[in-house]
Amino acid sequence: NAGVTQTPKFRVLKTGQSMTLLCAQDMNHEYMYWYRQDPGMGLRLIHYSVGEGTTAKGEVPDGYNVSRLKKQNFLLGLESAAPSQTSVYFCASSWADSNQPQHFGDGTRLSIL
Amino acid sequence: AQSVTQLGSHVSVSEGALVLLRCNYSSSVPPYLFWYVQYPNQGLQLLLKYTSAATLVKGINGFEAEFKKSETSFHLTKPSAHMSDAAEYFCAVSARFGGSQGNLIFGKGTKLSVKP
Repeated sequence: NAGVTQTPKFRVLKTGQSMTLLCAQDMNHEYMYWYRQDPGMGLRLIHYSVGEGTTAKGEVPDGYNVSRLKKQNFLLGLESAAPSQTSVYFCASSWADSNQPQHFGDGTRLSIL
Repeated sequence: AQSVTQLGSHVSVSEGALVLLRCNYSSSVPPYLFWYVQYPNQGLQLLLKYTSAATLVKGINGFEAEFKKSETSFHLTKPSAHMSDAAEYFCAVSARFGGSQGNLIFGKGTKLSVKP
């Protein structure tokens, strides 16, 4: 019953460093999403994928890249981290229908110094 | 474009009192609507969803919400608050059609505090 698993759970980076956040789901969901959560801002969509090999931009895609080489995994990359990217990042997945709820991981807390 | 407005970033109630969290949406066609709850240091969990069946939707933990098209509202209620209900609550809307089908637009959240 793992659901959506995010690694790592915490990370501290220096400005300019790069890193990759990994999201894995075991529910065979078609759709996957990456959000960031900032105080008072709710959740904002960074990128999403509607199937293996596909990706699309969300509301706040600048500074991030994603890949979905396998159906169960969705990777979020920061090529050159900036302090403005300090946030809590959530991955979610869902069935391929807009009336289906999204299932969320527990988040990755990322601090950029 | 769709949007969601949650009135009140913080709501405080006494244990046993009515909980009312407000959500209004903007959409050219009736959307799908969701309420999620987030406990500290956790991800979001689905409370309930509206997908155009009954307008009064019952969810987990005694919560329910009523879809009112004329008011473009989807307020969340619970008759009697428990201490364990203290959390942040998010309303979200999903488009039925179009290229962004399946994507959720979230409100900014309402933190619920429950006083003993």
